[in-house]
Amino acid sequence: DAMVIQNPRYQVTQFGKPVTLSCSQTLNHNVMYWYQQKSSQAPKLLFHYYDKDFNNEADTPDNFQSRRPNTSFCFLDIRSPGLGDAAMYLCATSRGLGGVGQPQHFGDGTRLSIL
Amino acid sequence: DQQVKQNSPSLSVQEGRISILNCDYTNSMFDYFLWYKKYPAEGPTFLISISSIKDKNEDGRFTVFLNKSAKHLSLHIVPSQPGDSAVYFCAATHSGTYKYIFGTGTRLKVLA
Repeated sequence: DAMVIQNPRYQVTQFGKPVTLSCSQTLNHNVMYWYQQKSSQAPKLLFHYYDKDFNNEADTPDNFQSRRPNTSFCFLDIRSPGLGDAAMYLCATSRGLGGVGQPQHFGDGTRLSIL
Repeated sequence: DQQVKQNSPSLSVQEGRISILNCDYTNSMFDYFLWYKKYPAEGPTFLISISSIKDKNEDGRFTVFLNKSAKHLSLHIVPSQPGDSAVYFCAATHSGTYKYIFGTGTRLKVLA
């Protein structure tokens, strides 16, 4: 089955220690997204790639970076994690721009804990 | 500014009855609306969508209704089953954009 896979499922890191979360997809979708979701809140878009074109949300902290080396993979780098960065991180893909017939497909997320 | 709102954090329904989940939006540019279902420890899964040119879309037990004048949509599940117990997210977007705006979710519990 075509899918979106996130690794690891659970990540524990120390305050200030860089961490990388990964996402891969077999759907061959153009767009890949990273969301941050905290308990009882809506998923918050951090950034997305349309192919290699990177788009950052205006309120995404500089501490968060992303890389997309090829169509299949996308990484989220948190350079100096703070306690407030503890959250579920969701990767999603879509075939193209929003509109009819373009739902997003999500991975199962990585739950990040900060010690 | 929460452009997509789900005002009911939780809902309990008896098995076999109808579940109605509600969602309100503020941006009149939105023209495509989606519902996602999320089980614990899994990512959201696309459930059903509706374009703004329609007022109803049905898929099996799931029907989504759109009232553009009220900027309101609802998801009806009939009959509700215990396996429907999950968190349901409403999302909205408009053609030509990459951004999907999500609500905060409604936790549905279907009681056997």
